[in-house]
Amino acid sequence: GENVEQHPSTLSVQEGDSAVIKCTYSDSASNYFPWYKQELGKRPQLIIDIRSNVGEKKDQRIAVTLNKTAKHFSLHITETQPEDSAVYFCAASFSGGYNKLIFGAGTRLAVHP
Amino acid sequence: NAGVTQTPKFQVLKTGQSMTLQCAQDMNHNSMYWYRQDPGMGLRLIYYSASEGTTDKGEVPNGYNVSRLNKREFSLRLESAAPSQTSVYFCASSDTGTGVDTIYFGEGSWLTVV
Repeated sequence: GENVEQHPSTLSVQEGDSAVIKCTYSDSASNYFPWYKQELGKRPQLIIDIRSNVGEKKDQRIAVTLNKTAKHFSLHITETQPEDSAVYFCAASFSGGYNKLIFGAGTRLAVHP
Repeated sequence: NAGVTQTPKFQVLKTGQSMTLQCAQDMNHNSMYWYRQDPGMGLRLIYYSASEGTTDKGEVPNGYNVSRLNKREFSLRLESAAPSQTSVYFCASSDTGTGVDTIYFGEGSWLTVV
């Protein structure tokens, strides 16, 4: 079935450390993998995405890597700051010819000063 | 440019009551979605509409119906609310074009069924 698994469910780091969140997906035809950040009581907002024709993408302190053979992708946050504390969701597109995203269960990241 | 607007923001229903969540987007997007978010469960797709006039079931469609009224509006109806439908509901839209594109979410609707 259509499934995205995300690990860990919670992650606690010290300010300045790196954080890594990993996701696996079930459909080898998936070709779009966004990451969303959700602060408490707010809507999810896109922070970075990657398409299946590239293996890595960076945006300042955030990077995403994709391994299509293994069907997994990861979010890397370097030099973490307290304002990075939030819930992060990965997602993958599934077949159908349209933008159908299935989300992982989320990772609650806490960055301690 | 308001983006995706959904109403109401908060609602309390009694078991068995019905209600409709309204959603509108002003970005001229083709596709619209309804997700529900429960603690520890992430965002689960209820229904989506790839284009005006079409709707399809997502991961958790039971107990819900949708209407794509026009290109801008996509409503979600609970015919007979149950406590298991207590959740935060997010409407979203995207401009799919020839491929997948960013999904933009509304601010959410907090629904409690007692």
